[in-house]
Amino acid sequence: DVVMTQTPVSLPVSLGGQASISCRSSQSLVHSNGNTYLHWYLQKPGQSPQLLIYRVSNRFSGVPDRFSGSGSGTDFTLKISRVEPEDLGDYYCLQSTHFPYTFGAGTKLELK
Amino acid sequence: EVQLVESGGGLVKPGSSLKLSCVASGFTFSSYGMHWIRQAPKKGLEWIALIYYDSSNKYYADSVKGRFTISRDNSKNTLYLEMNSLRSEDTAMYYCAKYGGDYWGQGVMVTVSS
Repeated sequence: DVVMTQTPVSLPVSLGGQASISCRSSQSLVHSNGNTYLHWYLQKPGQSPQLLIYRVSNRFSGVPDRFSGSGSGTDFTLKISRVEPEDLGDYYCLQSTHFPYTFGAGTKLELK
Repeated sequence: EVQLVESGGGLVKPGSSLKLSCVASGFTFSSYGMHWIRQAPKKGLEWIALIYYDSSNKYYADSVKGRFTISRDNSKNTLYLEMNSLRSEDTAMYYCAKYGGDYWGQGVMVTVSS
């Protein structure tokens, strides 16, 4: 199985500040069709996860441009600029290139 | 508006069975694959199963293979997860999600305990 190593586990931030979350995979996430199926989710307390970024760098509908994704191969990053209160919660990366699909263990974004 | 509504959860004893349902609306259900994903209490997310739009292919996580069965009824816009030989480690919130992971249900809780 592809292991997704997500860091840090906890990320204290100040409102208006910037946050960066890393996700590394144990093997390349480039599919045979050339696409890279690495996605980012935010789960707010008591809610279902919501899609932020799909296929590395594409913002889902309605997601503010404060969120950006980058990376390739096995190394990926989610950046959040100008952090707002509604950004707080648990962030997860997901790879859907290889079966079984696997999630990172999560990063808790919290106030400093 | 896309909606996914899970049901069928509850408290069951180890070794027993349970069948979850997920009713979809707001999109052409018969055109999309569907997932089940679960989250144990205070833990991370675990993908457990995928079914293609036409049920031609099904994939499972090793943790549930041979015990859980994913199925669908496109005439009823409904996704199912039949869970057999339940164990305490299957205790989790179970979510259905549309292929692409863009829409998730609100989840249904399954507790396996004696």
